[in-house]
Amino acid sequence: QITLKESGPTLVKATETLMLTCSLSGISISTRGVGVGWIRQPPGEALEWLALVYWDDDNRYSPSLKSRLTSTKDTSKNQVVLLMTNMDPVDTATYYCAHRKFYGSGSYKGVFDIWGQGIMVTVSS
Amino acid sequence: DIQMTQSPSSLSASVGDRVTITCRASQTISNYLNWYQQKPGTVPKVLIYATSSLQSGVPSRFSGSGSGTDFTLTISSLQPEDFATYYCQQSFTTPWTFGQGTKVEIK
Repeated sequence: QITLKESGPTLVKATETLMLTCSLSGISISTRGVGVGWIRQPPGEALEWLALVYWDDDNRYSPSLKSRLTSTKDTSKNQVVLLMTNMDPVDTATYYCAHRKFYGSGSYKGVFDIWGQGIMVTVSS
Repeated sequence: DIQMTQSPSSLSASVGDRVTITCRASQTISNYLNWYQQKPGTVPKVLIYATSSLQSGVPSRFSGSGSGTDFTLTISSLQPEDFATYYCQQSFTTPWTFGQGTKVEIK
């Protein structure tokens, strides 16, 4: 059974860097084909895709946030870390990590079939 | 980026109604279209992937169809537990993108 759980600060100040951790169980982040996504949702708004982290470090980021985002793996802890720099109050949202189930052809296809519980991050001015 | 546009943004329906939600992509995405359901205060849950494949454990009253740029999610007989917000999402290319959501409310 695959589970994911986000952890990190629930309150950050504007201009600070947010660091979130996604802890995986039931699957290894270093196994070929494994992908973990980051998604956020501001209060009352739609879902927004942020990044996909792959077992081979061929990561993909949202172009609109690419300059602020970095996601890395800690294989020893089976965790994925998301860093978002220069936080702003508009970044206030629930942040989710999710397991990508692959289907189709090509490396970057799939669906988020298992989600973490999410972590609500508030950015104060 | 591929833009995903859902319609309607919201709808009111009664238990037992047939409900259809439409999702249009700004360019062709083959069949790389997924549908999620989100109830207030809960985590999104995948219903349909690859346009028409039912995720394990999802009731058969949910179905998906389409190809290219136009897709639909159909609930054949709306149940009380189906009142929620539904999102489409393409995975044809990164960045994966979501629609703005369709809120299904009780009539």
